[in-house]
Amino acid sequence: GENVEQHPSTLSVQEGDSAVIKCTYSDSASNYFPWYKQELGKGPQLIIDIRSNVGEKKDQRIAVTLNKTAKHFSLHITETQPEDSAVYFCAARESSGSARQLTFGSGTQLTVLP
Amino acid sequence: ETGVTQSPTHLIKTRGQQVTLRCSSQSGHNTVSWYQQALGQGPQFIFQYYREEENGRGNFPPRFSGLQFPNYSSELNVNALELDDSALYLCASSRTSPGELFFGEGSRLTVL
Repeated sequence: GENVEQHPSTLSVQEGDSAVIKCTYSDSASNYFPWYKQELGKGPQLIIDIRSNVGEKKDQRIAVTLNKTAKHFSLHITETQPEDSAVYFCAARESSGSARQLTFGSGTQLTVLP
Repeated sequence: ETGVTQSPTHLIKTRGQQVTLRCSSQSGHNTVSWYQQALGQGPQFIFQYYREEENGRGNFPPRFSGLQFPNYSSELNVNALELDDSALYLCASSRTSPGELFFGEGSRLTVL
């Protein structure tokens, strides 16, 4: 099955700086890679996703890049703000199987210091 | 548009008991997935329901079971609770299978 590794586990940045979170996956057949933000006491919220036929996707201050050859993908947040503080999870979904469930990384606690 | 709602939000059970968690999917979504999130970990896939049938299962024992109803709402049942079952149980719905997952706030289960 799929295995997703996520680094770093914790990340502190100054407000206005950029933050980068990296993930690697094991199954070359995976073709969908979402990122979720989870605030304390809440469920994960989808913030951006990328499919395997695209190398980069951007949505305002958030961007995701995908390197299929190396089997890794990254989340980039620019001009960080205190409200970006949360736990971020990457995930990968296999392209086969009936449920095609998401396999999640272990999360990154991002703290944006004012 | 109503999002995914789960109940109860918190509950405490003792080892050996049984629990039922409930989920209402987002309007227009026909697929429901359940995930278990232990403290400090990423969510782990339990199973998925599509058109009232189990559509895939993760590495969880048979004492984890579920249902999906004609209105696409769903239940997760766990029998013979163990201490390690303490976790946040997340329900996610999608418009189809596969599709973008939208999560509820979760049900926090504590087993004593």
